Amino acid sequence: EPEVTQTPSHQVTQMGQEVILRCVPISNHLYFYWYRQILGQKVEFLVSFYNNEISEKSEIFDDQFSVERPDGSNFTLKIRSTKLEDSAMYFCASMGTGTEAFFGQGTRLTVV
Amino acid sequence: KNEVEQSPQNLTAQEGEFITINCSYSVGISALHWLQQHPGGGIVSLFMLSSGKKKHGRLIATINIQEKHSSLHITASHPRDSAVYICAAQKTSYDKVIFGPGTSLSVIP
Repeated sequence: EPEVTQTPSHQVTQMGQEVILRCVPISNHLYFYWYRQILGQKVEFLVSFYNNEISEKSEIFDDQFSVERPDGSNFTLKIRSTKLEDSAMYFCASMGTGTEAFFGQGTRLTVV
Repeated sequence: KNEVEQSPQNLTAQEGEFITINCSYSVGISALHWLQQHPGGGIVSLFMLSSGKKKHGRLIATINIQEKHSSLHITASHPRDSAVYICAAQKTSYDKVIFGPGTSLSVIP
């Protein structure tokens, strides 16, 4: 069974620090996404990525966020200067042709 | 108004009961997803539907495109089915999915 893997599973960081969340999507998928879920709330879309560029981003995805596919396998989300309100579960997802979305197990980010 | 709504918000059932979770959406879609989220937080895709009905084990998902409504049924429910079930709409192929608020299901032995 193919799967999306995310690392780390849990990250604690000081406010103002940069964090990089990593994802390995399913190998033949071409569409990649980041979502986040603040504790007790529903999952929200952050950004979608296709053909090495952002195809859509939400209002949440401001200048402190960036995404990259540096080596053709990893898909990363960088938060430049973390704030307390960035504490959330971050999910990576990938989609192939005609397939459902496959989600990673998430990275729980805690900003202190 | 939320584009994807679910009911009920919380559901408690006795083991063995037949369970139905409902989803309604207000946007045109290319696909409707049902997802499961366990207490640890990970999300698992259960179904992707664009029409009709799909079945996997004890889970059945149906969709009525005209009424913009989908249901997830669980037959012979078991405590291990306890989780949050999320409906999510996808407007066009490869578009982001728009998540509903989730239904928290607890199945009691």
